[in-house]
Amino acid sequence: QVQLQESGPGLVKPSETLSLTCSVSGGSISNYYWTWIRQPPGKGLEWIGNIYYSGNTNYNPSLKGRVTISVDTSKNQVSLKLTSVTAADTAVYYCATATWLARNNWFDPWGQGTLVTVSS
Amino acid sequence: DIQMTQSPSSLSASVGDRVTITCRASQTIDTYLNWYQQKPGKAPNLLIYTASSLHTGVPSRFSGTGSGTDFTLTISSLQPEDFATYYCQQSFSTPRTFGQGTRLEIK
Repeated sequence: QVQLQESGPGLVKPSETLSLTCSVSGGSISNYYWTWIRQPPGKGLEWIGNIYYSGNTNYNPSLKGRVTISVDTSKNQVSLKLTSVTAADTAVYYCATATWLARNNWFDPWGQGTLVTVSS
Repeated sequence: DIQMTQSPSSLSASVGDRVTITCRASQTIDTYLNWYQQKPGKAPNLLIYTASSLHTGVPSRFSGTGSGTDFTLTISSLQPEDFATYYCQQSFSTPRTFGQGTRLEIK
C-alpha cells in the first residue's frame, strides 16, 4: 500500500510562506488525487485542497488564494505552499490519498502529519 | 459550504456497550458521507465510506447508516481500542468539510 510522509520546517514566522512536501512511496503518484488537510492543536479537521497528478486543483475558499498545491511526478512528491501565514495557520498538516468511487471520495491512507507552528 | 454537525461532542461508555454517533449535514448530501477514527497523536483512519461501506480491515462491529442529511455511526460492542475521536466528512461538494468530532471516552 502507498505510504505518505510529510516533511518541512516546523517553525515559520508570521507573514512568511509555509512550504511542505509529501513523499509518496510504495506506488506511483500518477493516477491518484492527493489532498492536504490540517488540524489546529486540540481542534478538528480542515480540508485545504487537492490535486490530480495531471495538475488539476481544488482549494478551500477559506484560505483566500493563499494556497498552492503541486505535484512533482519525477520525485513522486506532492507539495503545499501557504503564503502570508499567521498564528491561525498553526496546525498539524496531513497529506492523504483521495480515492474516488462514482461521485464520492474519501481520504485513505494518510501521512503521519507534521506540526507547523507560526511564531516569531 | 456544507456544515456537518456531530452529536454528541463527547460520550462516556464502557467496554461492551453499544454506541451511536450522529452526523447531520446542513443540506442533503445523498450518501456522500465518510467516517474516520483518530487516536491521540495519530492521523485519522478511514472506517466507513459512502455512508455504509466498511473499509477493508475495519472490524464488523462498526456500521454506518443514513442518507440525505442524517447519518449514524454505530459500534455494536465497544472494545478498549475503540476509545478515540470520530469524525464524519462530506464529499458532496467542495470544499470538503468535517464534523467537529465526537470524543469517545472510557466510563
